[in-house]
Amino acid sequence: DGGITQSPKYLFRKEGQNVTLSCEQNLNHDAMYWYRQDPGQGLRLIYYSQIVNDFQKGDIAEGYSVSREKKESFPLTVTSAQKNPTAFYLCASRQGTTGELFFGEGSRLTVL
Amino acid sequence: SQELEQSPQSLIVQEGKNLTINCTSSKTLYGLYWYKQKYGEGLIFLMMLQKGGEEKSHEKITAKLDEKKQQSSLHITASQPSHAGTYLCGADISGGYNKLIFGAGTRLAVHP
Repeated sequence: DGGITQSPKYLFRKEGQNVTLSCEQNLNHDAMYWYRQDPGQGLRLIYYSQIVNDFQKGDIAEGYSVSREKKESFPLTVTSAQKNPTAFYLCASRQGTTGELFFGEGSRLTVL
Repeated sequence: SQELEQSPQSLIVQEGKNLTINCTSSKTLYGLYWYKQKYGEGLIFLMMLQKGGEEKSHEKITAKLDEKKQQSSLHITASQPSHAGTYLCGADISGGYNKLIFGAGTRLAVHP
């Protein structure tokens, strides 16, 4: 079935370590997104990519990095420079013609 | 994001009552999305609106996008406990350049 797969679902890391969250889609969508959600809050845009080998910073890009080497994949690295990385991270992709937006199930990162 | 304001922030209603949640921007909304989220879970797609004046309904939930495409409302008729959760609106405010942002959410509680 077509969809977006995020992994891992839960991740625990020590402070100061970089972590990479995976996001894979088989929907053939050009646009992909990463959002961060803190408890009781809405979604804040970290990075987005409109096409392979291109991506733009969102509203809270500091401390994060991404790559878009393949259409299907848009991994997010949470670096040690991110001051408060514990959060729920959601990946999404968007269909260019219809505008339909699909979300993954999310990855919950806890930094100890 | 402050660029997309949701109101109210939270809402408590008695079962059976109607309610409305608003999503407002100072910029034109290209593609307006409504999602529902249960605490700690992923997003459930409700509706997508693209044209000014468009209105869509699903079961007891109706969403509208105003003619100027700067405000959307989500109306729930005869609310039920199953409607409880956080409602999020999201939109492309970049003039069609795929920058999708979300509001802070409206937390709805429905008391029997």
